[in-house]
Amino acid sequence: AQSVAQPEDQVNVAEGNPLTVKCTYSVSGNPYLFWYVQYPNRGLQFLLKYITGDNLVKGSYGFEAEFNKSQTSFHLKKPSALVSDSALYFCAATDSWGKLQFGAGTQVVVTP
Amino acid sequence: GAGVSQTPSNKVTEKGKYVELRCDPISGHTALYWYRQSLGQGPEFLIYFQGTGAADDSGLPNDRFFAVRPEGSVSTLKIQRTERGDSAVYLCASSLQGWENTGELFFGEGSRLTVL
Repeated sequence: AQSVAQPEDQVNVAEGNPLTVKCTYSVSGNPYLFWYVQYPNRGLQFLLKYITGDNLVKGSYGFEAEFNKSQTSFHLKKPSALVSDSALYFCAATDSWGKLQFGAGTQVVVTP
Repeated sequence: GAGVSQTPSNKVTEKGKYVELRCDPISGHTALYWYRQSLGQGPEFLIYFQGTGAADDSGLPNDRFFAVRPEGSVSTLKIQRTERGDSAVYLCASSLQGWENTGELFFGEGSRLTVL
C-alpha cells in the first residue's frame, strides 16, 4: 500500500524568500516520487521526479526537491519564491509503473 | 491537439442518470489514466490503460463505473445510476511508455460532474 502525506494545508511566504513544501511517503518497494502543480483553472502539471540516483533533483521553474530515504521525505524547495508560484502543489508516489498516489495538496501563497 | 482534451468541461445531471465523460489523449501516448478529484483532496486513481486494455482498474469505486478505450486512443468513462457522491472533477491523463517516463503524466483540465 502507498500513502503520501502533505502536513501543511497552506504555506505563506513573502516574494524573494525561500519556499519549502513538505511531503512524506510510505511505499512498499523502491519509491518513485513526484511533484505536480495546479494553477487556477489549469490542469495538473508535472514539475519534477525522483526515480534513482542523486537525492537532489531539479525541475521546472527553478524548483528542486530532496529525497531523504531515512526520513521518507521528498520536500519541494525553491530558493527565491515569486508571486507567480502561488498555486496548489501535490506530492505523489508509486512503487511501479502506472498508479500514482497523490497527497491532499498544499496551497502556496506568495505575497509581494 | 497539443494537449489532453476532456469533454464536457462541465456536466450537471440528476441522480440516477447515466453519464459519459470523454478523454482524447496526446497523440502517441499509449498510457491513459482516469483520476477523480473531490474538493480539497488530491487526485484519486480510478483506472489505467496501456493501449486498449485496462492494466489496473483497482480504483474504480464500484460496478457503476466503467471505462473503455477501444482503439487505444480516445477513452470514455461511463457512470451508471449516478449518485450525489459521484460529484467531483474527473481528470484524464496520458503518458509515453517506458521506464524513463514513469510518472510523467500530462493532465487534461478535467470534467466537472455535478449530480443533483
